[in-house]
Amino acid sequence: NAGVTQTPKFQVLKTGQSMTLQCAQDMNHEYMSWYRQDPGMGLRLIHYSVGAGITDQGEVPNGYNVSRSTTEDFPLRLLSAAPSQTSVYFCASSYSGGAGGMDEQYFGPGTRLTVT
Amino acid sequence: AQKITQTQPGMFVQEKEAVTLDCTYDTSDPSYGLFWYKQPSSGEMIFLIYQGSYDQQNATEGRYSLNFQKARKSANLVISASQLGDSAMYFCAMRESSGGYQKVTFGTGTKLQVIP
Repeated sequence: NAGVTQTPKFQVLKTGQSMTLQCAQDMNHEYMSWYRQDPGMGLRLIHYSVGAGITDQGEVPNGYNVSRSTTEDFPLRLLSAAPSQTSVYFCASSYSGGAGGMDEQYFGPGTRLTVT
Repeated sequence: AQKITQTQPGMFVQEKEAVTLDCTYDTSDPSYGLFWYKQPSSGEMIFLIYQGSYDQQNATEGRYSLNFQKARKSANLVISASQLGDSAMYFCAMRESSGGYQKVTFGTGTKLQVIP
């Protein structure tokens, strides 16, 4: 199993450009999520999905779009990059999104994005 | 209000000593889960330990234990016999239900440095 994979590892964008961060998992997990990590702020939830076709906003969704057409893939789209989106982005997955029971999240290695 | 509060931005501990990393949380959900993750300087997120809100016993995993005090809404991580490899950022996180779907919130982290 590859676990959770993310591409690219590093990316530099100019202000206004768009791009897609890729995330895939091979564990048949229903729940997938995107976080951004900024110094001193921990991880903040951008968007999450509880299954194919179902997505919802997290704490900081503005400027980002997601879709979930398959169980395996959960891409994050930056519509028009801004310097404030410079961050490290983590994708995570877990078995289910339902309440109750231990359901640890497995994290990808992260994408370091710089917007100039 | 912050859902997860980690009040110690940085901590030092002598090798072989025990250390407690503080975490308090805020939720009105009766069913929730508390997690601790480790992030070494290499950047990956490593799951350490989980505590469910209905668990009667404090969780333990090797040298890690979670001191769960439900009435005080605290979930402190205790690392016994610290090792140099324990130097890292440590994040407390809470999973709670939101309209039936889970959301996970992270604290801002504690940087632990183990001194030889």
